[in-house]
Amino acid sequence: QVQLKESGPGLVQPSQTLSLTCTVSGFSLTSYNVHWVRQPPGKGLEWMGVIWSGGNTDYNSALKPRLSISRDTSKSQVFLTMNSLQTEDTGIYYCNRNLGGWGQGVMVTVSS
Amino acid sequence: DIQMTQSPSSLPASLGDRVTITCRASQDIGNYLRWFQQKPGKSPRLMIYGATNLANGVPSRFSGSRSGSDYSLTINSLESEDMAIYYCLQHNEYPFTFGSGTKLEIK
Repeated sequence: QVQLKESGPGLVQPSQTLSLTCTVSGFSLTSYNVHWVRQPPGKGLEWMGVIWSGGNTDYNSALKPRLSISRDTSKSQVFLTMNSLQTEDTGIYYCNRNLGGWGQGVMVTVSS
Repeated sequence: DIQMTQSPSSLPASLGDRVTITCRASQDIGNYLRWFQQKPGKSPRLMIYGATNLANGVPSRFSGSRSGSDYSLTINSLESEDMAIYYCLQHNEYPFTFGSGTKLEIK
């Protein structure tokens, strides 16, 4: 059964760095791509970036200076790191497999 | 960036109605278009991929179509469980971009 689960701190201080983990099961990261998508409260969806099955990455150019996606295939984990967080980065962060199956999402609040 | 202009933003409809939601792409995206359904407090669910293909487990009353740069999601014979927000997504060119969403609600 394919599953993805996001985890990370619920609260981050402004200007600090966000670190999220997407732990997957039921498939191999070397066979499928994992995307990150976020959603501000009450708003729409924004594609953030992807780590391809081969390990390459692509990012939303609007976030690229602050964003990094990496993985540990032995642990079936994908990591999102984003620095210089601001209040507008508050929202739910989702990982998904091949723009298909999604995790449950993790709420991140940027506040002092 | 490719703009996906989604309409309408809100769609009141009655059970049993046939409804259509449209996304217009600002540039050619071929058939790299997906539709997602999102219910309150839930993750998005893939409904249509490749503009016209039904995802696994999606009821056959859902369908996708394309006419030039216009992509449509149609729901025949609306059911209460279909009330949700629907988003289109183009994944032909970076950055991938979503439409702004259509809230389907009971009239």
